[in-house]
Amino acid sequence: EDKVVQSPLSLVVHEGDTVTLNCSYEVTNFRSLLWYKQEKKAPTFLFMLTSSGIEKKSGRLSSILDKKELSSILNITATQTGDSAIYLCAVEGASEKLVFGKGTKLTVNP
Amino acid sequence: GAGVSQSPSNKVTEKGKDVELRCDPISGHTALYWYRQRLGQGLEFLIYFQGNSAPDKSGLPSDRFSAERTGESVSTLTIQRTQQEDSAVYLCASSLLGYAGNGYTFGSGTRLTVV
Repeated sequence: EDKVVQSPLSLVVHEGDTVTLNCSYEVTNFRSLLWYKQEKKAPTFLFMLTSSGIEKKSGRLSSILDKKELSSILNITATQTGDSAIYLCAVEGASEKLVFGKGTKLTVNP
Repeated sequence: GAGVSQSPSNKVTEKGKDVELRCDPISGHTALYWYRQRLGQGLEFLIYFQGNSAPDKSGLPSDRFSAERTGESVSTLTIQRTQQEDSAVYLCASSLLGYAGNGYTFGSGTRLTVV
């Protein structure tokens, strides 16, 4: 059964700090790993990582896929209060559906 | 439409009643997914529709849950004889084809509260 584990489950930091969120997975026939940001109800897409694209960056956010270790990290530098959200990691394998982790709740205090 | 639309956005129902949740996917998206998110939890897969193929119902938690989709358009998720444990946010997502590609597009969800 495909599985995704995220850590930590919650994190509280101050504005300006750098954070690293972790995601490890077990999946049959790995296709992609995705990161989402969930502020209210609808998760919004951040990054997709595949065997041919193991590193992505957008502004202060970046993500790396380690296929050997079956894991990924999401880095956020110079955090802002607007980064406060739940960050979800998901993997897609042979089943064509995304399997999600429980998420990391990030709180950025002013 | 421009995005995935779900209705109602909030629903409070009495234990034992049936509820129906609706999802309008992005036009042209052949794949449609339902997920459930309990408080403080991640997204739990429920069911997946892809074109005219038989749906993947492997995530439905009990026979009280069912879903339908007409062609490549609207889907409804029905929960019969609701229980308090069914309280959650129900999220619908759609994608082009059956591959996550650039990721699903999620609707804003229906928050179901069973009292």
